[in-house]
Amino acid sequence: AQSVTQPDIHITVSEGASLELRCNYSYGATPYLFWYVQSPGQGLQLLLKYFSGDTLVQGIKGFEAEFKRSQSSFNLRKPSVHWSDAAEYFCAVAPYSSASKIIFGSGTRLSIRP
Amino acid sequence: NAGVTQTPKFQVLKTGQSMTLQCAQDMNHNSMYWYRQDPGMGLRLIYYSASEGTTDKGEVPNGYNVSRLNKREFSLRLESAAPSQTSVYFCASSEFFEEGATDTQYFGPGTRLTVL
Repeated sequence: AQSVTQPDIHITVSEGASLELRCNYSYGATPYLFWYVQSPGQGLQLLLKYFSGDTLVQGIKGFEAEFKRSQSSFNLRKPSVHWSDAAEYFCAVAPYSSASKIIFGSGTRLSIRP
Repeated sequence: NAGVTQTPKFQVLKTGQSMTLQCAQDMNHNSMYWYRQDPGMGLRLIYYSASEGTTDKGEVPNGYNVSRLNKREFSLRLESAAPSQTSVYFCASSEFFEEGATDTQYFGPGTRLTVL
């Protein structure tokens, strides 16, 4: 069965520092991959998605993610974080065949140190 | 353009009470979804509606019913609430749903439900 693992429950980085949030998936074929962000008390907002093509995907708010098939990973990166980036981040995977089967990871909470 | 809206934002129920969570989208999307979010478990799909007039079970449908009232609205009903249904509920919509494709889902702000 497909699954998504976000191994880091909580990460704290200093403002201006670089960020990498890890996501690993388990699926037999190349899935569709997403990163969502959830600010406190808010719904989820799509940061970026990978369907096919270039394995380095650019998203909103200066985020990017790289799909690495050999490692079954889709890590989210940002070169310099801002205090407003403090939120919870969810990686999600969906098989090619069905949007209804989107599986979300358990999330990584990002805190920013002033 | 409000996107996806949900009402109410907060609700407290007693065990055995019933209630309906409302969801509406103004993006002319065909597909709508209901998720629940529990700590440490990410989001889990309860029900979805691929298009107006159709509904299907997701990963955790037990204890819930849904109605796709029209293209804009998709409601979630708890007939007899249980403490295990304490959660944050999110509605989402996407432009289309079809086998062989996956479309981006857009989420509402959520409803925080507590069942005592």
